[in-house]
Amino acid sequence: DSGVTQTPKHLITATGQRVTLRCSPRSGDLSVYWYQQSLDQGLQFLIQYYNGEERAKGNILERFSAQQFPDLHSELNLSSLELGDSALYFCASSPGGLAGAAPTYEQYFGPGTRLTVT
Amino acid sequence: GENVEQHPSTLSVQEGDSAVIKCTYSDSASNYFPWYKQELGKRPQLIIDIRSNVGEKKDQRIAVTLNKTAKHFSLHITETQPEDSAVYFCAASTGLDDYKLSFGAGTTVTVRA
Repeated sequence: DSGVTQTPKHLITATGQRVTLRCSPRSGDLSVYWYQQSLDQGLQFLIQYYNGEERAKGNILERFSAQQFPDLHSELNLSSLELGDSALYFCASSPGGLAGAAPTYEQYFGPGTRLTVT
Repeated sequence: GENVEQHPSTLSVQEGDSAVIKCTYSDSASNYFPWYKQELGKRPQLIIDIRSNVGEKKDQRIAVTLNKTAKHFSLHITETQPEDSAVYFCAASTGLDDYKLSFGAGTTVTVRA
């Protein structure tokens, strides 16, 4: 157990719908990362938050958005869902992530949310 | 952005033999290289990592080597066991302003008993 929790574990929804995935980082970790894992795309970085602020963006679609709350949990919102959005969505957390601070690179992954769009 | 290539995509080894997975990266600013193991339907688990200030790191049966000049790094698993069967991912990060990871495509390792 990495200490990172994600809910729900599974999600089945229809095209055009909107869903919210939730992630709670390890105790004390300030950074949260979201990754998408599909069969043909591998693990793709979506977005990073550090202490409530967006820090980095990857290949995240405009239909997707995220936020990190004051208690440091994060939510990934996926809207206007398409069949191709079906994937495993992982969040990971790490202690740091701020340039100039003591490097704390290690990222620990949550169990993931399996999203199926029908 | 960073591009990480990983080879081979599949690897089958006899139990007790060694397994080697190689990765190359494109961004010379990358300075952190973790390896993750992912069993079917489970989360990626960090098994070992190396930073750019060292050339080799070992932890029991696994070791990672880094060649910054050639921009490649490798994972070595010795005395493989059936429980080593999984998908292994390499990754790289620059750690300049964020610590996002760029992953290789993964290697499916099968250890034959």
